[in-house]
Amino acid sequence: NAGVTQTPKFQVLKTGQSMTLQCAQDMNHNSMYWYRQDPGMGLRLIYYSASEGTTDKGEVPNGYNVSRLNKREFSLRLESAAPSQTSVYFCASSEGGQGVLAGELFFGEGSRLTVL
Amino acid sequence: AQTVTQSQPEMSVQEAETVTLSCTYDTSESNYYLFWYKQPPSRQMILVIRQEAYKQQNATENRFSVNFQKAAKSFSLKISDSQLGDTAMYFCAWELTFGTGTRLTIIP
Repeated sequence: NAGVTQTPKFQVLKTGQSMTLQCAQDMNHNSMYWYRQDPGMGLRLIYYSASEGTTDKGEVPNGYNVSRLNKREFSLRLESAAPSQTSVYFCASSEGGQGVLAGELFFGEGSRLTVL
Repeated sequence: AQTVTQSQPEMSVQEAETVTLSCTYDTSESNYYLFWYKQPPSRQMILVIRQEAYKQQNATENRFSVNFQKAAKSFSLKISDSQLGDTAMYFCAWELTFGTGTRLTIIP
């Protein structure tokens, strides 16, 4: 099984450009998440989707939008990229259930985004 | 807001020694999950161990064990007989909230 797959792995953008990070999981998980990782700040939750058809803001949602396309796929869009969005982005999934989180997070390999 | 604090940004130990990584958290909830994740240089995040708050027994996974003190809101990770492959960033997490991580280096 592939688990959680993110694309692209690396991307360089110019300020103001837009792009979409794609994420797909093949574990039939209900919940999916997008995090960003910055040095000295750990992982911060951007958006999450507790179940198909729902999305909610996390700790740092400004400048991002998400789409839960179906149960498998959860995309993250930067409409107008800014240098402050230079980061490593991780998609994750979990079984979910009655609460937002029921069990461990399974992570993708990460996507390194640089905004010039 | 829920917070998770890892007060040791970096640690290093000799191979085969035991090391303990500290983590404290803040929550008003009574039932929740706590996790330790490992991130090696490959960047892939991997679950090391998890603890359910309603279970008093400390979780153990081979060389990894936790010291869970619910009243003190403390959740430390002990790595016994450390190996070179344990070199990584370690993140403590309360539900979906992560600490800032501890960079652990195992010295040959």
